[in-house]
Amino acid sequence: EAQVTQNPRYLITVTGKKLTVTCSQNMNHEYMSWYRQDPGLGLRQIYYSMNVEVTDKGDVPEGYKVSRKEKRNFPLILESPSPNQTSLYFCASSSLWTGMWETQYFGPGTRLLVL
Amino acid sequence: GQQVMQIPQYQHVQEGEDFTTYCNSSTTLSNIQWYKQRPGGHPVFLIQLVKSGEVKKQKRLTFQFGEAKKNSSLHITATQTTDVGTYFCAAELTGTASKLTFGTGTRLQVTL
Repeated sequence: EAQVTQNPRYLITVTGKKLTVTCSQNMNHEYMSWYRQDPGLGLRQIYYSMNVEVTDKGDVPEGYKVSRKEKRNFPLILESPSPNQTSLYFCASSSLWTGMWETQYFGPGTRLLVL
Repeated sequence: GQQVMQIPQYQHVQEGEDFTTYCNSSTTLSNIQWYKQRPGGHPVFLIQLVKSGEVKKQKRLTFQFGEAKKNSSLHITATQTTDVGTYFCAAELTGTASKLTFGTGTRLQVTL
């Protein structure tokens, strides 16, 4: 079954304690992306990756890091989380064909609370 | 700031009424996608529009892309309770290849 998985689904942490949210897809997609969703603001892109070892900043990259060492995985790293990073996070993936978007598949989401 | 505006933010309709959400940008859009997110769920891709003036239909849903490629709309005919959720547009702004900017979403509530 084609899917994007994220772990953990829920996380409560404290300010400054490094954390990683994992994302994995089984569709051999080149493109992967992280979004955060906050009430009234919709989804905002944090980082995206066009392929292995290729990452780029989205609209709200401050306080986040990503890596793309393998095609299927795209972890999101918060080196020193702060309360303003409390949010619902989605990972997504799609294939890119001659610059045209294909269907973008979203993971189930990770709800993060930073105290 | 938000470069893709979506209106209305919220709409409550009776089952059987029609519903429309609009997505507007001051910047020309290379393409636009529409997503639906059920309460507690994740966004699900509905469709992509690429050409100026393009119109696509999926059963009771009609999607339009403006002639100037600066706006788009999603129209639902005869809403059903299964249409409840938040509808988002997402656009690739011209000159920002591979980057998607989402609208703020329109939350649709449908009651019997």
